[in-house]
Amino acid sequence: NAGVTQTPKFRILKIGQSMTLQCTQDMNHNYMYWYRQDPGMGLKLIYYSVGAGITDKGEVPNGYNVSRSTTEDFPLRLELAAPSQTSVYFCASSYRPLRSGDLAFFGQGTRLTVV
Amino acid sequence: GENVEQHPSTLSVQEGDSAVIKCTYSDSASNYFPWYKQELGKGPQLIIDIRSNVGEKKDQRIAVTLNKTAKHFSLHITETQPEDSAVYFCAASYNDMRFGAGTRLTVKP
Repeated sequence: NAGVTQTPKFRILKIGQSMTLQCTQDMNHNYMYWYRQDPGMGLKLIYYSVGAGITDKGEVPNGYNVSRSTTEDFPLRLELAAPSQTSVYFCASSYRPLRSGDLAFFGQGTRLTVV
Repeated sequence: GENVEQHPSTLSVQEGDSAVIKCTYSDSASNYFPWYKQELGKGPQLIIDIRSNVGEKKDQRIAVTLNKTAKHFSLHITETQPEDSAVYFCAASYNDMRFGAGTRLTVKP
């Protein structure tokens, strides 16, 4: 019962570098989400997906890209890392939309520092 | 879009006391209001939720109340225990989910 798995747990990037944050779920959930959590702030939605092949922008999409080629995987790509992207990133999944009251499962988070 | 404000940002209570966290939202169309608990180093976990057609919901020591007219909702934890110490987030949802900034609750033994 792995749930939502994120890798890596920690990463330090230099300005301008790129990286992909991996997210995998094994619950056959349709909906997947990427959030960022800045210190002292709530979670802000970056991108979400309602199913394989479909992605949509959330509240703060600038500087990120996503893809959803399979139901299980929803990677988040940072092309040109900037200090403003220093944050903790959470991936989540749910079978139905969160607004339906469906339980969302969150990953453990990826702590990213851009220096 | 929806804007959710949460107060207080930190809350310290003695074990056995009650804790109350309050949130306000701006979009009157929001109809789903969950509360999440986040322990150190972990992702948020849903602990209780309420829909707009309900005024109050209880689950053991936890209760949530909703006032749609005033656009605010609250989390009540009674008989607090040290393991209740965590960061609590409220959220409001219609088309998407917007989170409050969080409340760090500390329960002192």
